[in-house]
Amino acid sequence: QKEVEQNSGPLSVPEGAIASLNCTYSDRGSQSFFWYRQYSGKSPELIMSIYSNGDKEDGRFTAQLNKASQYVSLLIRDSQPSDSATYLCAVNGFSGGYNKLIFGAGTRLAVHP
Amino acid sequence: DGGITQSPKYLFRKEGQNVTLSCEQNLNHDAMYWYRQDPGQGLRLIYYSQIVNDFQKGDIAEGYSVSREKKESFPLTVTSAQKNPTAFYLCASSRLLGQGALSGANVLTFGAGSRLTVL
Repeated sequence: QKEVEQNSGPLSVPEGAIASLNCTYSDRGSQSFFWYRQYSGKSPELIMSIYSNGDKEDGRFTAQLNKASQYVSLLIRDSQPSDSATYLCAVNGFSGGYNKLIFGAGTRLAVHP
Repeated sequence: DGGITQSPKYLFRKEGQNVTLSCEQNLNHDAMYWYRQDPGQGLRLIYYSQIVNDFQKGDIAEGYSVSREKKESFPLTVTSAQKNPTAFYLCASSRLLGQGALSGANVLTFGAGSRLTVL
């Protein structure tokens, strides 16, 4: 089982729709959860961080965390073509003898006009 | 503006050569990291450093070396022992290493990346 799993996509949604991106993780002791957006050929940029169960909203983005189910998601409302990118889920975990940020492989989102 | 500067942006290496990728940050962050990204894959940790003159191997350290002589600088050398070095290399930093849940101290800031191609 991978430590952080994401559906690779592509997830295709029409402009104006809600895009839902999902991520599961294996380390029950994880406390910090992040969503990064990465455009092709560019470096990741932080979209959202979430540390406690429930929802956290920031503009068109909402992160949802359920530690019991080891599940974190990102909702993008009113999706725009400029949201088309790969979204990386990252989770703090203890692995290989040290604490580190573990990244999923990413979900590619395509928003079409 | 504070940030992380990586250079060069593109680098070509011949078989058997060592190359060094530069990473400089002016964010006053204690922790610095090097990640490797291959097409369609997530980021894999090569090395990380929490303080000056100290660094630890990540998941894929073989064929790589680092130094941390200054807080601001964390260069990565890709040695000839790395058999498949063609990849996108990302340097990152954070205030602290660890859970840091409430302070956000472990939020990573990334440089623009360096793309290495072996000829």
